[in-house]
Amino acid sequence: DQQVKQNSPSLSVQEGRISILNCDYTNSMFDYFLWYKKYPAEGPTFLISISSIKDKNEDGRFTVFLNKSAKHLSLHIVPSQPGDSAVYFCAASEKGAGSYQLTFGKGTKLSVIP
Amino acid sequence: DGGITQSPKYLFRKEGQNVTLSCEQNLNHDAMYWYRQDPGQGLRLIYYSQIVNDFQKGDIAEGYSVSREKKESFPLTVTSAQKNPTAFYLCATRLGGGTGELFFGEGSRLTVL
Repeated sequence: DQQVKQNSPSLSVQEGRISILNCDYTNSMFDYFLWYKKYPAEGPTFLISISSIKDKNEDGRFTVFLNKSAKHLSLHIVPSQPGDSAVYFCAASEKGAGSYQLTFGKGTKLSVIP
Repeated sequence: DGGITQSPKYLFRKEGQNVTLSCEQNLNHDAMYWYRQDPGQGLRLIYYSQIVNDFQKGDIAEGYSVSREKKESFPLTVTSAQKNPTAFYLCATRLGGGTGELFFGEGSRLTVL
């Protein structure tokens, strides 16, 4: 059973507009969430994270929002640039799991159209 | 340069052969991980190690084996028992303690013919 879900396999956005990528989770023990960006044939690179004690974290053009009651988080990219075109993975870790590991969603492919 | 080195980047093998993928890091990170990525799938955890000489199975460990004899190295062997070995394999590290991000290598593409 998937504990981290990214229900949109792909998203197309015009350059300069906002990109919103969504992620839902089912495990209420998840307490730390991350977004990774991945280009083809490369390893993922860390983008931004948020702890469950916060509802928003911002880093430049990237903002992550967390709604714990809905078990939902989203990544906003403003303004979107062609170089943002990549696959974005949402990931989560569990509090008190005894060992630290990340559970990933299946990813959303973002295409930013010039 | 500090980083994570995976080798080889591309590997072709015949069915039934064991294959070992290398992962070396000079970040002095305690924890190391192996993930597998298939098209349209997320990253799935194969094995991970929090300290030297200790490792745990992840969600899809069947048909794989690992060792952690040195802090810097965490090789993954894909055995002939792995039914669908063709995939993109990613090694990652983490400093250790508390929460934090994983740092990934460039990946190794294994194709079994």
